[in-house]
Amino acid sequence: EDQVTQSPEALRLQEGESSSLNCSYTVSGLRGLFWYRQDPGKGPEFLFTLYSAGEEKEKERLKATLTKKESFLHITAPKPEDSATYLCAVVSYSGGYNKLIFGAGTRLAVHP
Amino acid sequence: NAGVTQTPKFQVLKTGQSMTLQCAQDMNHEYMSWYRQDPGMGLRLIHYSVGAGITDQGEVPNGYNVSRSTTEDFPLRLLSAAPSQTSVYFCASSYSKNRGDHGYTFGSGTRLTVV
Repeated sequence: EDQVTQSPEALRLQEGESSSLNCSYTVSGLRGLFWYRQDPGKGPEFLFTLYSAGEEKEKERLKATLTKKESFLHITAPKPEDSATYLCAVVSYSGGYNKLIFGAGTRLAVHP
Repeated sequence: NAGVTQTPKFQVLKTGQSMTLQCAQDMNHEYMSWYRQDPGMGLRLIHYSVGAGITDQGEVPNGYNVSRSTTEDFPLRLLSAAPSQTSVYFCASSYSKNRGDHGYTFGSGTRLTVV
């Protein structure tokens, strides 16, 4: 069964303290892995798509990497405005169509 | 562009009542889907559509119906509301049904409480 597990559930950082969020997955034939950011009371906002092991993508203080079993979202020198829930999702193929399978998310709080 | 628009933002229902959650997108996306988000469980797929007239079930379809008569609209109907359907509902759309190159665009959600 396709599955996505994110860790930690919650992370508290001081401003400027770099860290990484983990997303481990089990899927029969990876067709893509997504990272989203979700602010309270809002819908998820697309950040990155990764397709193959070794691929990396960057956006401001965020960098996403992918291996055959997991993905990391590295946050360099975070600021309070980076506080949000970060969601990981994999593309699962069944019945002829793609579907997104989400992890439960990591709640990140960055304090000044 | 408005993106994905969901209405209403908040709703309280009594057990047994029915209602329709509206979702509309103006990006000419062929793929649309409904998710529910519950604490600690992540987003779970309810129903999805790969084009007008084509719908299919996701992970948790029981108690919900959908239809897709136009490219733009994908309403979600609760047939007889139950307290277990208390959740936040998100509609999402994507350009391609087979690749996520452009990501999935989500609406801002409908917070539903069933009492």
